Amino acid sequence: QSVVTQPPSASGAPGQRVTLSCSGSSSNIGGNTVNWYQQLPGTAPKLLIYDNDQRPSGVPDRFSGSKSGTSASLAISGLQSKDEADYYCAAWDDSLNGVVFGGGTKLTVL
Amino acid sequence: EVQLVESGGGLIQPGRSLRLSCTASGFRFEDYAMHWVRQAPGKGLEWVSGINWNIESKGYADSVKGRFTISRDNAKNSLYLQMDSLRDEDTALYYCAKVSGDGYYYDYFDSWGQGTLVIVSS
Repeated sequence: QSVVTQPPSASGAPGQRVTLSCSGSSSNIGGNTVNWYQQLPGTAPKLLIYDNDQRPSGVPDRFSGSKSGTSASLAISGLQSKDEADYYCAAWDDSLNGVVFGGGTKLTVL
Repeated sequence: EVQLVESGGGLIQPGRSLRLSCTASGFRFEDYAMHWVRQAPGKGLEWVSGINWNIESKGYADSVKGRFTISRDNAKNSLYLQMDSLRDEDTALYYCAKVSGDGYYYDYFDSWGQGTLVIVSS
């Protein structure tokens, strides 16, 4: 069981906006930056958001990240079928001295 | 273009050992920390281990501490994971991942390999 919590599933219709949550503690999200990874079916994870709210080049601005206290969120607007994937948040944990991943949220586009 | 290619996975009996490799190209390997992340079948991502660019700093998840050893050979642009005393629960796809910032142990993973599958079973 991960020390960072994500809801196991989320869904939305094409064109809608969905928000995925990520909850941790002061030793991880509360004290360090949050990163988000997208894993399309059968592929390796891909960096989606880094440093809480920064998008790597090539990531559409439909994806946005935010952090407040010990929680973080990933918002996806204008939902598309190709956004169906697993989404993981991650942060450094000062107590564990390692990287902690959330359990992941499986996003379904209805 | 950054490329990370893992190898060495396979079917192995519990209690045995296996060594994974990750060969890197497309960047100055010796300047970057590298990590291993695994994913059990149908499960989420789990950080396994990391090693700093100068090998002075290494870290392990509690689940593998004392059984796994991370190493690197900067001359060969290669990262390794020696896995001893393997258990059924070590069955997973093992990814190597590169951090973004040179000199950082961890900031975020900007590149991932495709993974190598380890199956621990009798």
